[in-house]
Amino acid sequence: GQQLNQSPQSMFIQEGEDVSMNCTSSSIFNTWLWYKQDPGEGPVLLIALYKAGELTSNGRLTAQFGITRKDSFLNISASIPSDVGIYFCAGQPRGYQKVTFGTGTKLQVIP
Amino acid sequence: EAGVVQSPRYKIIEKKQPVAFWCNPISGHNTLYWYLQNLGQGPELLIRYENEEAVDDSQLPKDRFSAERLKGVDSTLKIQPAELGDSAVYLCASSPKGTSDGGEQFFGPGTRLTVL
Repeated sequence: GQQLNQSPQSMFIQEGEDVSMNCTSSSIFNTWLWYKQDPGEGPVLLIALYKAGELTSNGRLTAQFGITRKDSFLNISASIPSDVGIYFCAGQPRGYQKVTFGTGTKLQVIP
Repeated sequence: EAGVVQSPRYKIIEKKQPVAFWCNPISGHNTLYWYLQNLGQGPELLIRYENEEAVDDSQLPKDRFSAERLKGVDSTLKIQPAELGDSAVYLCASSPKGTSDGGEQFFGPGTRLTVL
């Protein structure tokens, strides 16, 4: 099935560094979501975005809903070891429940 | 509040055998989803229920997969017969909201299926 394109696919960073990742789609979405998945667990919702141009923060995480509605960005500031995991973006079109997930960005934090 | 419960957490079967997965959503959540997650990929929707009605099963391979949510609460996903390519994690999620949105889905831990 369709999956959104996320980049980078994986990244290694030093503890304390900032992280940026993005997600692009060929389709327009009305909702953008960012999830984190730890090994052996299901994805956990981090941030939900509902308006083009919207910038939303959740602690050290900040996500933006792209103006074109075809992309979204996630930034993590001052990374810590527990930030390790796989980050998935997900998009939802107007008036329809189906959520399409991205391919994931695997984050490794070096203490 | 208890989260989404799935069982079993792990299942190993031989090909051509049947297998079933069970999910109990968060209490009061009307919408229930079953997702398939292959290694290194994001979840892909198999079926979505609104109460006991399957409102989107377009991605469910109906020749071998079936699902039910008889009383609009817990749900069972079945594969019969299983094939090697069915090895994956099967995730269940639930959402408290109606059909107008639903992005805020809460996921269970998943069932990791290995078909030998």
